[in-house]
Amino acid sequence: KAGVTQTPRYLIKTRGQQVTLSCSPISGHRSVSWYQQTPGQGLQFLFEYFSETQRNKGNFPGRFSGRQFSNSRSEMNVSTLELGDSALYLCASSSGGTGTNYEQYFGPGTRLTVT
Amino acid sequence: KNEVEQSPQNLTAQEGEFITINCSYSVGISALHWLQQHPGGGIVSLFMLSSGKKKHGRLIATINIQEKHSSLHITASHPRDSAVYICAAIKAAGNKLTFGGGTRVLVKP
Repeated sequence: KAGVTQTPRYLIKTRGQQVTLSCSPISGHRSVSWYQQTPGQGLQFLFEYFSETQRNKGNFPGRFSGRQFSNSRSEMNVSTLELGDSALYLCASSSGGTGTNYEQYFGPGTRLTVT
Repeated sequence: KNEVEQSPQNLTAQEGEFITINCSYSVGISALHWLQQHPGGGIVSLFMLSSGKKKHGRLIATINIQEKHSSLHITASHPRDSAVYICAAIKAAGNKLTFGGGTRVLVKP
């Protein structure tokens, strides 16, 4: 089985712009979770989707949003980028109904740099 | 105080040594993950456990729900075990993952 894929792998954006990141889960996995990793804050949970519905959301501003499509692929969007949004964005898929209670399979991440 | 605390933050060991990483949490949890992150960012899930002990190869994870504590042990450590190890607690309220700060492990040959 192919693993979790994320595109793009690297991205450079300017403050004020918006960005869309994509995540394709392992075939058959219906849950996709998104995480942000920064040197200062470490790993933080953004949100989780299951069957096109957002099941859980972390403590991030409304500029961070996501969605999931019928084929389980997921996108996250960050609008009005700030310098502090520079981070490694990871997605993970799992087979379970509530993703975080099942083994998570992580993608390689998208490294976003905001200048 | 963070809800999930790991210790130590950094650890250097000689090849072959026994390594222990600790994770303490202050919230009610339903389960806990141990993750491994290599340089370059890739994360691998090592264990998910809600009670007792799990073993995979040279890795052993234990959890004591009453004491709100989990440990990850690496037996006969090897330079390829050099990585950051992260514990993540699944909060019982809301099923959200809360991460520890990570333990950077360096195993010298």
